[in-house]
Amino acid sequence: AQTVTQSQPEMSVQEAETVTLSCTYDTSESNYYLFWYKQPPSRQMILVIRQEAYKQQNATENRFSVNFQKAAKSFSLKISDSQLGDTAMYFCALENSGGSNYKLTFGKGTLLTVNP
Amino acid sequence: DTAVSQTPKYLVTQMGNDKSIKCEQNLGHDTMYWYKQDSKKFLKIMFSYNNKELIINETVPNRFSPKSPDKAHLNLHINSLELGDSAVYFCASRVQGLNAEETQYFGPGTRLLVL
Repeated sequence: AQTVTQSQPEMSVQEAETVTLSCTYDTSESNYYLFWYKQPPSRQMILVIRQEAYKQQNATENRFSVNFQKAAKSFSLKISDSQLGDTAMYFCALENSGGSNYKLTFGKGTLLTVNP
Repeated sequence: DTAVSQTPKYLVTQMGNDKSIKCEQNLGHDTMYWYKQDSKKFLKIMFSYNNKELIINETVPNRFSPKSPDKAHLNLHINSLELGDSAVYFCASRVQGLNAEETQYFGPGTRLLVL
């Protein structure tokens, strides 16, 4: 069974500063994908960033980057130059690959508040 | 234009009623999902269909019955609604393993409130 753990239920950061959200996971699969999703108050699930487990290079998307440590099963999200619009719930998720049953397993989320 | 759409967006109903939520995707994906987000925001998969065939059923009460009339649609019917069914239900779709860049795309969610 796959598990995803986000140990920080809530975090806050000042506008323009940098914040890191933690995520650890466990899986018996050798190949899998990791994601960070953002859910603002509108409740839409928005993909922030995606990482393939077989790639050593950390994924980046503009102000968002990850620190993927495969041996430690750690996948943290760094948000640089935080903006008010980054205020949202952030979910770390793991998706197995192979076979016909891709499914996402989510962590419990981290509520990030960006303060002006 | 919308990639994954759900209707209705909000649903308020009484205990014991039967209700349906519809999902449609225009992305040409062959796999569709239902996820449930509870009051603590925890998201959990319920069902997955691939080419109209059920491939994941995650120990969901049999009051919940998904139906996939075609690849582009996955509906969720709930019988004898209970208070604990109150949640946000998300539909999602994905291409099945053909492209390493693919990911799951989510609908806007349906907020169900059972009174």
